[in-house]
Amino acid sequence: AQRVTQPEKLLSVFKGAPVELKCNYSYSGSPELFWYVQYSRQRLQLLLRHISRESIKGFTADLNKGETSFHLKKPFAQEEDSAMYYCALHSGGYQKVTFGTGTKLQVIP
Amino acid sequence: EAGVTQSPTHLIKTRGQQATLRCSPISGHTSVYWYQQALGLGLQFLLWYDEGEERNRGNFPPRFSGRQFPNYSSELNVNALELEDSALYLCASSSQGNIQYFGAGTRLSVL
Repeated sequence: AQRVTQPEKLLSVFKGAPVELKCNYSYSGSPELFWYVQYSRQRLQLLLRHISRESIKGFTADLNKGETSFHLKKPFAQEEDSAMYYCALHSGGYQKVTFGTGTKLQVIP
Repeated sequence: EAGVTQSPTHLIKTRGQQATLRCSPISGHTSVYWYQQALGLGLQFLLWYDEGEERNRGNFPPRFSGRQFPNYSSELNVNALELEDSALYLCASSSQGNIQYFGAGTRLSVL
């Protein structure tokens, strides 16, 4: 069974500090991984996906198949990064999409 | 372009009643997903419809059901409501590429 684990419910960092939101997954094949973000009073929205290999709002995430991880990183946190972040896995075709339980990022001014 | 719309915004029911939640996808999207977001549990996958067919369902009892209409809008029905069904129900739509676009949700309260 596929599983996504986000070990931290809450991550507090100071403005300007580096951020790393952890995501580990279990799946035997080649999954597609995503990070979604929900800012206060806004809808859940896509932040980035691993196949795009792009940086969005300064965030990057690298798929590490050896460690089965897809951690989200940003070198310098901004106050506007405060939000709820969800890691998601899709195993292809019509297989279900699995979301982690989310990590609330709090950037302290 | 309109995003994913869900109705109603809030729904209050009592135990044993039935609830119907509605979702209109982004124009051109053929897939609709339903999720339950209960407090502390993250997003739990409920159902996936594409081209009018149920493609997958999560680990929920059969009293959670739905359908997708020819215009790709979708309905989620929850029968015999229980207190623990109280949650935010999110709908998402997608076309190709598996990127999901979410609605604002329907908050269901079961009293």
